[in-house]
Amino acid sequence: QKEVEQNSGPLSVPEGAIASLNCTYSDRGSQSFFWYRQYSGKSPELIMFIYSNGDKEDGRFTAQLNKASQYVSLLIRDSQPSDSATYLCAGGESGGYNKLIFGAGTRLAVHP
Amino acid sequence: EAGVTQSPTHLIKTRGQQATLRCSPISGHTSVYWYQQALGLGLQFLLWYDEGEERNRGNFPPRFSGRQFPNYSSELNVNALELEDSALYLCASSLGGGAVRETQYFGPGTRLLVL
Repeated sequence: QKEVEQNSGPLSVPEGAIASLNCTYSDRGSQSFFWYRQYSGKSPELIMFIYSNGDKEDGRFTAQLNKASQYVSLLIRDSQPSDSATYLCAGGESGGYNKLIFGAGTRLAVHP
Repeated sequence: EAGVTQSPTHLIKTRGQQATLRCSPISGHTSVYWYQQALGLGLQFLLWYDEGEERNRGNFPPRFSGRQFPNYSSELNVNALELEDSALYLCASSLGGGAVRETQYFGPGTRLLVL
């Protein structure tokens, strides 16, 4: 059973701090990883995708991938109360079947 | 540019009935995906359609079915509804064409309630 695991949280950080969200995956053949943000009652919104080992930065967000450790993370710098949401980590299933395997999500709470 | 659209936004059915959910992908996208998000659970993959064909299916019973039309829009049908089918049903689309690294963009979802 291919799985993506995340700590459910809540992860509570003060405004302006760095929030660090982590995810591990079991599918060694997975080549693509995605971070989605989901506000309560809304649909997932794509934040970033990463395919290669290392870091990828986009504004306040940095995604990190370590394929050897099967580990993906998302750093949010200068966290804002509007960042409070559930963050979903997803991996593309190996085999080219385009199925995304989602983690259960980490709830982030940024307090003023 | 319009994103993925879904209809209806909410749907109330009774046990045993059939539900039909609709999705229009982003213009230029040929792949459509369906996911189920039950309360308190993660997103579970249901179906993937590309170029009118079903390409992959998740671990759901056959009463979950769908199709993709020539204009790439899609329909999800759930027959013989059960109480546990109550969930948010999300449609996503991607460029398609069989690329391995496809980014999926989600629609607003249809919230199905089975009474």
